[in-house]
Amino acid sequence: EADIYQTPRYLVIGTGKKITLECSQTMGHDKMYWYQQDPGMELHLIHYSYGVNSTEKGDLSSESTVSRIRTEHFPLTLESARPSHTSQYLCASSELGGFPTNEKLFFGSGTQLSVL
Amino acid sequence: AQTVTQSQPEMSVQEAETVTLSCTYDTSESNYYLFWYKQPPSRQMILVIRQEAYKQQNATENRFSVNFQKAAKSFSLKISDSQLGDTAMYFCAFMRGLMEYGNKLVFGAGTILRVKS
Repeated sequence: EADIYQTPRYLVIGTGKKITLECSQTMGHDKMYWYQQDPGMELHLIHYSYGVNSTEKGDLSSESTVSRIRTEHFPLTLESARPSHTSQYLCASSELGGFPTNEKLFFGSGTQLSVL
Repeated sequence: AQTVTQSQPEMSVQEAETVTLSCTYDTSESNYYLFWYKQPPSRQMILVIRQEAYKQQNATENRFSVNFQKAAKSFSLKISDSQLGDTAMYFCAFMRGLMEYGNKLVFGAGTILRVKS
């Protein structure tokens, strides 16, 4: 069973607030990802990390930032939330060395963010 | 940039019947991989099947097979003898290049498949 957790599950917040979306996994995976998905649309990669102190921007430009100080923890931060940030944010992890044949992503349950 | 399109938001099929999920993609790359992932309610994304773009032969994995049309940039998934456990969200995904460390999956929007008894 996948052990990757995201909190909060739902977040409604006002414009200009700073928010942090939490993501933790207990599987010891080196690779972690943040995806953004609007209803009925594709999952877009916004950040990824291949290990501690390694973070990269994904294919979709995002004003959010991430950090990877510990293997199990990959939080995403928005310094000043805006209505355009309203979306679902999915965190995922996978093992190094699984590429590409056995690439298996483990997803969290997601955070639905609404910025008013 | 690569894009992946799944035009069927939801599909239903009777148990034991066959269903086909559609996927098209857009890329200028010549070397790439295509995947179908299954995401059951447990939320874990599970790899169903993989196709290398340089292979003409369609991949098969037990009851799952693909129809890969490279010129048309089409990559459909056929599920034969559908089972209740096949009920899930199915994502088509693209990955460019060969064994590059920084490669990442680009996903479609997903198709919800419901298998009815």
